[in-house]
Amino acid sequence: GDSVTQMEGPVTLSEEAFLTINCTYTATGYPSLFWYVQYPGEGLQLLLKATKADDKGSNKGFEATYRKETTSFHLEKGSVQVSDSAVYFCALKATGYSTLTFGKGTMLLVSP
Amino acid sequence: GAVVSQHPSWVICKSGTSVKIECRSLDFQATTMFWYRQFPKQSLMLMATSNEGSKATYEQGVEKDKFLINHASLTLSTLTVTSAHPEDSSFYICSASVGADPYEQYFGPGTRLTVT
Repeated sequence: GDSVTQMEGPVTLSEEAFLTINCTYTATGYPSLFWYVQYPGEGLQLLLKATKADDKGSNKGFEATYRKETTSFHLEKGSVQVSDSAVYFCALKATGYSTLTFGKGTMLLVSP
Repeated sequence: GAVVSQHPSWVICKSGTSVKIECRSLDFQATTMFWYRQFPKQSLMLMATSNEGSKATYEQGVEKDKFLINHASLTLSTLTVTSAHPEDSSFYICSASVGADPYEQYFGPGTRLTVT
């Protein structure tokens, strides 16, 4: 079945550092890929998405590129802020289906 | 826009009792609602998918008689944990989607259930 693997956290960075959170997936066909963010005490929010190979999703300074050849969708940000501290989930959705498959989540802690 | 609420945000109940969790889409009509369960440091595990007015579709391994889902309207779905036991203690999250593929989901803040 479909699956998503994320790097384990927590990822601890200083403010303005470069962020990479790795995400790889296993799926048949051409799934859509998502990054969700969960701030403390809040629900998951869609951060960015990509629906086909080579697409780049971006939002709030975060970027991720859909790489079919490496089945990856790594999340990057050039300069993190304390307010970016949260749990980040990578997810996929098979075409034509409404359900999401999530990775385990990666906690990001950014210190001043 | 696209706000989903859950009530209660946390609940403690005694073993053997039932507890109901509500999920509401506040500013849109959801064609589909989803219920997830999340264990500490674990991924979100989909429990069931429900469409308004029809029976929920449960994922393999989820007891439908234990986790009753009712999707009474386009803005409300409820999850009832019947005869709760300590192993049912978990974080339950709902989401709602509207429209066509890719069926973007909007998530509620979650409900922490503790069964004593």
